Amino acid sequence: DGGITQSPKYLFRKEGQNVTLSCEQNLNHDAMYWYRQDPGQGLRLIYYSQIVNDFQKGDIAEGYSVSREKKESFPLTVTSAQKNPTAFYLCASSMGGVGYGYTFGSGTRLTVV
Amino acid sequence: AQTVTQSQPEMSVQEAETVTLSCTYDTSESDYYLFWYKQPPSRQMILVIRQEAYKQQNATENRFSVNFQKAAKSFSLKISDSQLGDAAMYFCSKKGSNYKLTFGKGTLLTVNP
Repeated sequence: DGGITQSPKYLFRKEGQNVTLSCEQNLNHDAMYWYRQDPGQGLRLIYYSQIVNDFQKGDIAEGYSVSREKKESFPLTVTSAQKNPTAFYLCASSMGGVGYGYTFGSGTRLTVV
Repeated sequence: AQTVTQSQPEMSVQEAETVTLSCTYDTSESDYYLFWYKQPPSRQMILVIRQEAYKQQNATENRFSVNFQKAAKSFSLKISDSQLGDAAMYFCSKKGSNYKLTFGKGTLLTVNP
């Protein structure tokens, strides 16, 4: 079955360390997205990529980095420069075009200890 | 910045009753899509319903329907015959020419037996 997989489900990180969240899709979707979810804040866009080898900053890109070397993969690195990294992170993918909704992964809960 | 506003942080409904969740949005575009997503306690985001701005007819998906008022930039979700499984956080969202989904902060729906 086609879908989008995020791993791990739970992640713990020590302050000062970088950590990478995995996102893989086998839906043949062109576009992929990373969102951060905090209580009472809704979903906020971190980075997005419409095609391979190209990506754009979203609304809260500071302290994060991404790569898009393959169509299927869009990993997110949370760097030590991110001041408040503890959050729930959601990856999504979509066909190109305004009329398509997103398919979401099941999320990764990152906790800084 | 284009925004999506959900004015009801929490709502409750009795099982089998009808509830309406409110959403307003801001846009300068004429071609865009609107979506409602559901996030149950599992935190998996599920697409509930979508509406194309060019279509005057309100979208319907089984017990879920929308009231789309384009001039007022309003997009409310009506849930009929509410079920316990409808309990979730509901997010209103908009997708325009930049293909990015912008989300509201969500409405937490409780269904009382």
